[in-house]
Amino acid sequence: GENVEQHPSTLSVQEGDSAVIKCTYSDSASNYFPWYKQELGKRPQLIIDIRSNVGEKKDQRIAVTLNKTAKHFSLHITETQPEDSAVYFCAANKFGAGGTSYGKLTFGQGTILTVHP
Amino acid sequence: DAGVTQSPTHLIKTRGQHVTLRCSPISGHKSVSWYQQVLGQGPQFIFQYYEKEERGRGNFPDRFSARQFPNYSSELNVNALLLGDSALYLCASSSLVGGEAFFGQGTRLTVV
Repeated sequence: GENVEQHPSTLSVQEGDSAVIKCTYSDSASNYFPWYKQELGKRPQLIIDIRSNVGEKKDQRIAVTLNKTAKHFSLHITETQPEDSAVYFCAANKFGAGGTSYGKLTFGQGTILTVHP
Repeated sequence: DAGVTQSPTHLIKTRGQHVTLRCSPISGHKSVSWYQQVLGQGPQFIFQYYEKEERGRGNFPDRFSARQFPNYSSELNVNALLLGDSALYLCASSSLVGGEAFFGQGTRLTVV
């Protein structure tokens, strides 16, 4: 089955700096890669996702890049703010014909991001 | 992600007991998945249901079962609870096609 490795496990930055979190996946058939932010005691919230037909996607201060050959994808947060402090999870999934999801998100182990004011 | 509701929010059970957790998906979403999140780890896939049929099952024992109702809501049942079943149980709702998954707030289960 799919295996997703995420690094680093903890990341501490100063406000305004950039943060990068990296994930690798094992199943070359995976084609959907979401990122979730989870604040303490709250639900995981989808912040950005990328599908395997593109290499990069941006949404304001966050961006995700995908390297299918290396089976590697990364989350980039620029101009970090204290409210970005949370646990971030990458995940992988695969969609079949017609865009039908197989339903199983495989998550990485999480990265605790702390942004110091 | 608004609209995925889970009940109850917290639950304390004794070893050996049975528990039922409930989930209502976002209106229009026909797929519900269940995940177990142990403290300090990422969510682990348990089940996916679509149109009342099981579409996927993770590596969990037969003590775990689930079902989906005609209104697309779902129940997760766990029998013969063990201390290790203590976790946050998350329900995710998605449209099968296109499939971004949106999570409910979870049920915090504590087994004592």
